[in-house]
Amino acid sequence: QKEVEQDPGPLSVPEGAIVSLNCTYSNSAFQYFMWYRQYSRKGPELLMYTYSSGNKEDGRFTAQVDKSSKYISLFIRDSQPSDSATYLCVSSAGSGGSYIPTFGRGTSLIVHP
Amino acid sequence: NAGVTQTPKFQVLKTGQSMTLQCAQDMNHNSMYWYRQDPGMGLRLIYYSASEGTTDKGEVPTGYNVSRLNKREFSLRLESAAPSQTSVYFCASPLPAGELFFGEGSRLTVL
Repeated sequence: QKEVEQDPGPLSVPEGAIVSLNCTYSNSAFQYFMWYRQYSRKGPELLMYTYSSGNKEDGRFTAQVDKSSKYISLFIRDSQPSDSATYLCVSSAGSGGSYIPTFGRGTSLIVHP
Repeated sequence: NAGVTQTPKFQVLKTGQSMTLQCAQDMNHNSMYWYRQDPGMGLRLIYYSASEGTTDKGEVPTGYNVSRLNKREFSLRLESAAPSQTSVYFCASPLPAGELFFGEGSRLTVL
């Protein structure tokens, strides 16, 4: 079992819907949590970065971490077709080069017009 | 992506051939990583280099070698390519706070 688990989807929603992407992790040492977005045939790009528990909002995106249940969420409001991509959940025990981030397998999101 | 450059972008090899994937970053980061990405498997770490002059094995190092040539460059070598190494390879470099910057990827097919 991977340390970071995600449902691979695909998750298909209509334009304008609120999207909830979820992830669980098993390593209690994880403190840093990231969401990456990856378009087809492109490299992953950082979308959200949070430290410890709580919420972080950036435009239409909200990242939520609940360390007590080891549960990570990404919410997308007013979803757009341009949000169609694979979303990767990432966790790390620390920052710096010796703390290797652990990736989930990714969830494929399709937003149809 | 700005900052991390990978070459080549595409490559087709025959089983048993060798090749080197090149990666360079211009962000003056200490660490660099090589990942492979396969359908349904997510990103898996092959090797990493926490600083110039050091390299360490990741989750799937078998069949690969790496060289941290200098602070900017980290190469990945396949000495005798196998069809199981058909994949998309990504080089990445982290900020001190942990965020990873990725290259655009190198698509390798081994026949």
